[in-house]
Amino acid sequence: KAGVTQTPRYLIKTRGQQVTLSCSPISGHRSVSWYQQTPGQGLQFLFEYFSETQRNKGNFPGRFSGRQFSNSRSEMNVSTLELGDSALYLCASSTDLAGGNEQFFGPGTRLTVL
Amino acid sequence: AQSVTQLDSQVPVFEEAPVELRCNYSSSVSVYLFWYVQYPNQGLQLLLKYLSGSTLVKGINGFEAEFNKSQTSFHLRKPSVHISDTAEYFCAVRTHDNNNDMRFGAGTRLTVKP
Repeated sequence: KAGVTQTPRYLIKTRGQQVTLSCSPISGHRSVSWYQQTPGQGLQFLFEYFSETQRNKGNFPGRFSGRQFSNSRSEMNVSTLELGDSALYLCASSTDLAGGNEQFFGPGTRLTVL
Repeated sequence: AQSVTQLDSQVPVFEEAPVELRCNYSSSVSVYLFWYVQYPNQGLQLLLKYLSGSTLVKGINGFEAEFNKSQTSFHLRKPSVHISDTAEYFCAVRTHDNNNDMRFGAGTRLTVKP
């Protein structure tokens, strides 16, 4: 089985631009979560989707948004980029709403905002 | 909301020595507990998890952890480490009700020296 894939792996943007990151979960997984990882703040939860519905949301501004498609693939969008948005963005999938289920992580998208 | 504290940001140890990475959590309700490992430029990989039952949990790569409810701890141990265990280790917690996100600790950088 293929693992979680994220595209692109690396991205460089400038302040004020917007960006869309993509995540393809493991086949059969219906839950997708997104995390932001930075040296200063560590791993922070962004949102979780299940069956195309956002089930949980972390404490991030409205510039961060996401969606999930009927095939469980997910995208997240960040508008009006700020320098502080530079981070590794990780996507994780699980068979059902995470709970006690294992989350399988992708390799991440490294976003650099200049 | 739940929270996680990893008591050591860095743990240096010599090859073949035992190691313990400490994790304490806080939650007003029952929780699931996890340990993940992150190798450079990769996503997170699950080492082990505690859902219920036996408090001693065995995971991959020879790691184990013990859930201690009275001390709200979930320390990770390995009796003999290898150079290849050098990585970042994250403790995580999620409540049973699935309405809360996965909370990660700040991480412990394990460095195994020859």
